[in-house]
Amino acid sequence: AQSVTQLDSHVSVSEGTPVLLRCNYSSSYSPSLFWYVQHPNKGLQLLLKYTSAATLVKGINGFEAEFKKSETSFHLTKPSAHMSDAAEYFCVVSNNAGNMLTFGGGTRLMVKP
Amino acid sequence: NAGVTQTPKFRVLKTGQSMTLLCAQDMNHEYMYWYRQDPGMGLRLIHYSVGEGTTAKGEVPDGYNVSRLKKQNFLLGLESAAPSQTSVYFCASSYSWPSTDTQYFGPGTRLTVL
Repeated sequence: AQSVTQLDSHVSVSEGTPVLLRCNYSSSYSPSLFWYVQHPNKGLQLLLKYTSAATLVKGINGFEAEFKKSETSFHLTKPSAHMSDAAEYFCVVSNNAGNMLTFGGGTRLMVKP
Repeated sequence: NAGVTQTPKFRVLKTGQSMTLLCAQDMNHEYMYWYRQDPGMGLRLIHYSVGEGTTAKGEVPDGYNVSRLKKQNFLLGLESAAPSQTSVYFCASSYSWPSTDTQYFGPGTRLTVL
């Protein structure tokens, strides 16, 4: 079965500094991977997805993620944090059949002025 | 275009009571999902539907039932609520399989079972 581990439950950065949210996955096949963001008291919104095309995936709001098969990682990065980036971020992997998603435990990003 | 809506937004139940959560989408999506979100555990799939009249079990289906009588609606029922079902419930929908297609989420329903 597939699984996903988000290595940090909380990350704190200063506005204007880089963001790195770490995600490792476990899968016996070539999975689809996603990052979703959840702002306070809101539903989740797709940031970006990897579906076996280019390994460097660009998403909305300046975020990007790189699929590294050898490291089984799919880390999320952004060059410069903005206050509006403060939210919870979920790394997500699909199952082999493609009909279900498994969510990581989430990383809460805090951005200090 | 409202997207995905959920009714109600908040609810408090006593143990043993029943209730139904309603999810509606206006994007003509075939696939609909119910998740629960608990602290530190991400979202877990309860049930899903791949089209009108069909439903399937997800990761944590026990204690819940669902129905998809109309394409745009997906109902989640709790027949006899338990404190372990205290959670935030999210509905989502997508045009195609979740492995390739974006899921669109509703704003959530916060349920407390006393």
